[in-house]
Amino acid sequence: QQQVKQSPQSLIVQKGGISIINCAYENTAFDYFPWYQQFPGKGPALLIAIRPDVSEKKEGRFTISFNKSAKQFSLHIMDSQPGDSATYFCAAKPTSGSRLTFGEGTQLTVNP
Amino acid sequence: KAGVTQTPRYLIKTRGQQVTLSCSPISGHRSVSWYQQTPGQGLQFLFEYFSETQRNKGNFPGRFSGRQFSNSRSEMNVSTLELGDSALYLCASSPLQGTNTEAFFGQGTRLTVV
Repeated sequence: QQQVKQSPQSLIVQKGGISIINCAYENTAFDYFPWYQQFPGKGPALLIAIRPDVSEKKEGRFTISFNKSAKQFSLHIMDSQPGDSATYFCAAKPTSGSRLTFGEGTQLTVNP
Repeated sequence: KAGVTQTPRYLIKTRGQQVTLSCSPISGHRSVSWYQQTPGQGLQFLFEYFSETQRNKGNFPGRFSGRQFSNSRSEMNVSTLELGDSALYLCASSPLQGTNTEAFFGQGTRLTVV
């Protein structure tokens, strides 16, 4: 019940295209859903996050869509750039504490 | 504001030894969590500290331990190292004040056990 399932495992997109990464969770106690971006040799960097009281959040080229009834959320990267090539992790956190449960990660490659 | 600082960045240890990793959180952050990252298992939660108290612990053997000091700095210790302990160990700090629960990660400590 603590798992977060992420897909796809890898994704190749052309420059200017839309990258879409999906995540699903089971634990209804989760109430905070961040996305992290990780480059090789670096720690994960917080990209954008959402709470279940909204269905969508947009920050620049990055958008989270959230479907509470389906227990699914996704990251959309508009106008994908080669510099977006990285590994992306979705995560979920319950109401109390700071423990994050991570998805398996998606390796995104944006071709020029 | 300075970010999360982890030291050392790289470590090579021999099986059976022990190791201590350090994490300095963002100033004002009172919560520190530790994660292990490996290619096979991904990011796995180790433990969480808040105000010097362990609040949560992941599914790791007792060889993995940690502590937090009064200035919120944290250390984790792994005793009797095994080859499978080779991983990137990440520390995350969070203010955990009100609705602000954003967690920020350090660059990690790359531990290699030979």
